[in-house]
Amino acid sequence: DIQMTQSPSSLSASLGDRITITCRASQSISDYLNWYQQRPGKAPKVLIYGAFSLQSGVPSRFSGSGSGTDFTLTISSLQPEDFATYYCQQSYKTPWTFGQGTKVEI
Amino acid sequence: QVQLQESGPGLVKPSETLSLICTVSGGSISNHYWSWIRQPPGKGLEWIGHIYNTGDANYNPSLKSRVTISLDTSRDQFSLHLTSVTAADTAVYYCARRTSYYRTNGGYYWFDPWGQGTLVSVSS
Repeated sequence: DIQMTQSPSSLSASLGDRITITCRASQSISDYLNWYQQRPGKAPKVLIYGAFSLQSGVPSRFSGSGSGTDFTLTISSLQPEDFATYYCQQSYKTPWTFGQGTKVEI
Repeated sequence: QVQLQESGPGLVKPSETLSLICTVSGGSISNHYWSWIRQPPGKGLEWIGHIYNTGDANYNPSLKSRVTISLDTSRDQFSLHLTSVTAADTAVYYCARRTSYYRTNGGYYWFDPWGQGTLVSVSS
């Protein structure tokens, strides 16, 4: 299985901050990398697919980059609704695997 | 707009079989891959497996010996059966559709939409 490792596991930030979350794959996955946001008690929601493509309806303050084994999710200016847990997921090969999550807190 | 809804018992006894149904509305169940994903309380996400409308299924090797996913196209439903459950199988279970996008270098897949999730506890 491809292991996905996120860092940090949690971070504290303020409204308006720019934050970056990192995801590392245990082997090269090209750009087959997705990012999800999960708010408490809700299902995950896709933000970014294919490493950098913004899902329709997702605000442009979210952006993704990377290729191979190292990827980042950036939120350019944190809004109240962005305080949530973020997961990366590889779609290079099955079994599809997720990172352990990064919780963004105030 | 496609919507998914999980249904099934919220409590299952150890060693018994966990069975859930996902009902798809607002769109066709055909020509898509349909997945089950679970999340133990306070933990991360684990892909369980998926099925295509032809009936072809692919399972996570970590659960393969205990999992069956099946499809009922006449009812726009797919189901999950997980045998010999233990407390480690306590989780929120989500159903989701695999969505695809094709670039020149290949197909890209992600999960969207998702059901709201249903908590299944394994306890005597």
